[in-house]
Amino acid sequence: DGGITQSPKYLFRKEGQNVTLSCEQNLNHDAMYWYRQDPGQGLRLIYYSQIVNDFQKGDIAEGYSVSREKKESFPLTVTSAQKNPTAFYLCASSPEKEGPGQPQHFGDGTRLSIL
Amino acid sequence: AQKITQTQPGMFVQEKEAVTLDCTYDTSDQSYGLFWYKQPSSGEMIFLIYQGSYDEQNATEGRYSLNFQKARKSANLVISASQLGDSAMYFCAMRVLGNQGGKLIFGQGTELSVKP
Repeated sequence: DGGITQSPKYLFRKEGQNVTLSCEQNLNHDAMYWYRQDPGQGLRLIYYSQIVNDFQKGDIAEGYSVSREKKESFPLTVTSAQKNPTAFYLCASSPEKEGPGQPQHFGDGTRLSIL
Repeated sequence: AQKITQTQPGMFVQEKEAVTLDCTYDTSDQSYGLFWYKQPSSGEMIFLIYQGSYDEQNATEGRYSLNFQKARKSANLVISASQLGDSAMYFCAMRVLGNQGGKLIFGQGTELSVKP
């Protein structure tokens, strides 16, 4: 079945440590996105990528980095510069680069906590 | 500014009854899409229904329908014949052509509880 796989499901970060969240899709979608969700809140865009080897900052990119070396993969690194990383992280993809008509498909998310 | 507003933090509905979840949006763009997603306690975001800004008919998908009133900038979700499995968070979202790669702008969500 086609879909988006995020791993790990739960992740713990120590002070000063960088951690990487994995996102893989086999939907052949061009566009991929990373969102952050805080308790009781909607999702906010961290980074997005419309094609391989290109990505753009979203609304809350500080303290995060991404790469897009393959169409299927869009990993997110939470760096030590992100002072409040505890949140639920969701990866999404969409077949259209920017068209408003296509829904985004989401992975099951990664819950990140600090130790 | 582009914004989604959901004014109902929590809603209760009796099983088998219908319920309306409110959503208003703000954008000056003419081309946009409106979406509703369901988020169960497990966390995944499940796409429910879509309405395009140029669509004249209200969207329907099974028990879900979207009451689209463009002049009022509202896109309310109607769930008919509620089931216990409908208990979840519901998010209204908007996608605007050309806006940061087509990102989704989300509201704060409404927590729906279905009572037996």
